[in-house]
Amino acid sequence: GAGVSQTPSNKVTEKGKYVELRCDPISGHTALYWYRQSLGQGPEFLIYFQGTGAADDSGLPNDRFFAVRPEGSVSTLKIQRTERGDSAVYLCASSFYGRNTEAFFGQGTRLTVV
Amino acid sequence: AQTVTQSQPEMSVQEAETVTLSCTYDTSENNYYLFWYKQPPSRQMILVIRQEAYKQQNATENRFSVNFQKAAKSFSLKISDSQLGDTAMYFCALSYNTGNQFYFGTGTSLTVIP
Repeated sequence: GAGVSQTPSNKVTEKGKYVELRCDPISGHTALYWYRQSLGQGPEFLIYFQGTGAADDSGLPNDRFFAVRPEGSVSTLKIQRTERGDSAVYLCASSFYGRNTEAFFGQGTRLTVV
Repeated sequence: AQTVTQSQPEMSVQEAETVTLSCTYDTSENNYYLFWYKQPPSRQMILVIRQEAYKQQNATENRFSVNFQKAAKSFSLKISDSQLGDTAMYFCALSYNTGNQFYFGTGTSLTVIP
């Protein structure tokens, strides 16, 4: 596609439920990133994929969060047993790998846990 | 640890005037990249300008320019001839050579007043 696509745009879920957030990167981009942006804050790094593998998952807050990218393109961020503190905008970005490359962001998924 | 600090939560400027947004950062690395991103209400992060730390010359992109002071670890953004479309959140960010993981500041909300 022309840009990074994230679905759904908005998601409301009940506390304790499981959610999946999808990111469709720009075609050909091997690097893919997930960020979480809480209200009034800057985005915080969650996980980085290079191809199919998670090159750096140090930003995942706990084991309720998991992400996959099985074919090196689309990625899914999975959150189990959601908590109200998980409410945030989840941003995805993609880029070519290497220094001095530009990352392109999607419009994010606003997750609200009630 | 890497930190990026934006000390101005909100700023406003008259249309056609000039405004400067401040950013300071802390890193022990010598090679890195600095960015300013714009985030309008659509939530999509848009790259405004980028600076490589090894370059002494300040980056410019049309009406946008930076004042990069490496020794002081300061990276301010100057917007000249402000336009209504410049109204948005602006985030300062830092990244390193390996991949594009960003460390973001907390943002400055800029309002351009007609």
